[in-house]
Amino acid sequence: EAQVTQNPRYLITVTGKKLTVTCSQNMNHEYMSWYRQDPGLGLRQIYYSMNVEVTDKGDVPEGYKVSRKEKRNFPLILESPSPNQTSLYFCASSLSPHGVGPRTGELFFGEGSRLTVL
Amino acid sequence: QKEVEQDPGPLSVPEGAIVSLNCTYSNSAFQYFMWYRQYSRKGPELLMYTYSSGNKEDGRFTAQVDKSSKYISLFIRDSQPSDSATYLCAMGPKGGGADGLTFGKGTHLIIQP
Repeated sequence: EAQVTQNPRYLITVTGKKLTVTCSQNMNHEYMSWYRQDPGLGLRQIYYSMNVEVTDKGDVPEGYKVSRKEKRNFPLILESPSPNQTSLYFCASSLSPHGVGPRTGELFFGEGSRLTVL
Repeated sequence: QKEVEQDPGPLSVPEGAIVSLNCTYSNSAFQYFMWYRQYSRKGPELLMYTYSSGNKEDGRFTAQVDKSSKYISLFIRDSQPSDSATYLCAMGPKGGGADGLTFGKGTHLIIQP
């Protein structure tokens, strides 16, 4: 089954304790991205990756790091989490960032990771 | 002015009604348009995908794009309680790829049985 898998789905942590949210896709997609979703603010892009070893900042990258060492994995790292990073996080992937045919821009989302930082 | 504007709702309608969801945008570079549906505690999933102006129909759903007015719509006919969800519009520049995709904030739709 084609899917994007995120872990953990739920996490409560404390300020300053480093954490990693993993993301893996099994569709051989080039493009992967992290979003956070907050009430009244919608989906905001944190970081994205066009392909292996190619990452770039989205709209709200402060306080986050990513890496793309393998095509299928795109972990999100919070080095020193703060309460303002309490949010619902989504990983997404897409066949191509550039559009090589119909629906190639379709984003496939994971189930989400709800993070609470105390 | 934000690039994509979408009324957050909630929009509550009785079962069987026709629902109209809308987004306006300001960036003339947007060429392709999508609607995503997000159920509670789930990730968004693609519902409709259109390229350029006009209508596209898929079952009870119709997506409409008016590029001259920078206005897109999603119509749901014979609405069902299972249509209750948040609907996000998304749009991107020429090419159709995921890079540069911009989302609206989503409209929360409630279909009352």
